[in-house]
Amino acid sequence: GENVEQHPSTLSVQEGDSAVIKCTYSDSASNYFPWYKQELGKGPQLIIDIRSNVGEKKDQRIAVTLNKTAKHFSLHITETQPEDSAVYFCAAKGSSASKIIFGSGTRLSIRP
Amino acid sequence: NAGVMQNPRHLVRRRGQEARLRCSPMKGHSHVYWYRQLPEEGLKFMVYLQKENIIDESGMPKERFSAEFPKEGPSILRIQQVVRGDSAAYFCASSPQDSGGELFFGEGSRLTVL
Repeated sequence: GENVEQHPSTLSVQEGDSAVIKCTYSDSASNYFPWYKQELGKGPQLIIDIRSNVGEKKDQRIAVTLNKTAKHFSLHITETQPEDSAVYFCAAKGSSASKIIFGSGTRLSIRP
Repeated sequence: NAGVMQNPRHLVRRRGQEARLRCSPMKGHSHVYWYRQLPEEGLKFMVYLQKENIIDESGMPKERFSAEFPKEGPSILRIQQVVRGDSAAYFCASSPQDSGGELFFGEGSRLTVL
C-alpha cells in the first residue's frame, strides 16, 4: 500500500523567510497530492493540492511542486507570517485507492 | 453551510466501557472517512464509508472497533471495551461523490481513557 514520508518533523523560520516541507510517496500510481494545515485543537484544512498531470501549482504565498519520476513533492511558503505557525501534513491518493494516506506532519514555527 | 459536525468533542471513558463517536457530513456529501491521531503524530486512516456501505476498512483494528454510516443519521465510530491505548483524537472527514480527492474535516472528538 501507499506510504508517505514527510520531513522535517519540526521547522522554525524567521518571519518573512521561506519555509519548505518535503514528502516522498511509494505508490507510483498515486495521482493526487493535497496539503493540509492543522491549527491547535482544530481539524486539518486543505490549503493547496496538485494532481499528477501538473508539475507545479501556486496560490499567493503557497506553492507546491511535484516530481513524479522521483516520487516526491514539496510545499513552499514564502514571506512567512505568524499565522503560518501550525502543523502541516502532506498526503497522497492513488488512482484506484479509496483512501488518502497522510505524512507524519511538520510543526512549523514562525519566529517574530 | 454547516461543516462536518462531530460530537462529542471530548469524551472520557474508563477502561472496559464503550465509546461512540458521531459524525454528520457536510450537506450533500455521501462519503465519510475516519482518521485517528495520536498525540504529536500524524493522521492514520481507519475506515471509508458510503451510505450503508463500508468501502475500505483496512485501517480499522480487527477487534473492538466498528463503523457504520446508515441511510439516515450520522456516521458512528464505535469502540468497545476501551483501553488506555485508544486515547486519541478521532477525526471524521467527508467528501461529495466524485470529488477528486478533497476531504473536509470536522474538529475531531478527543477520547480519553482513564
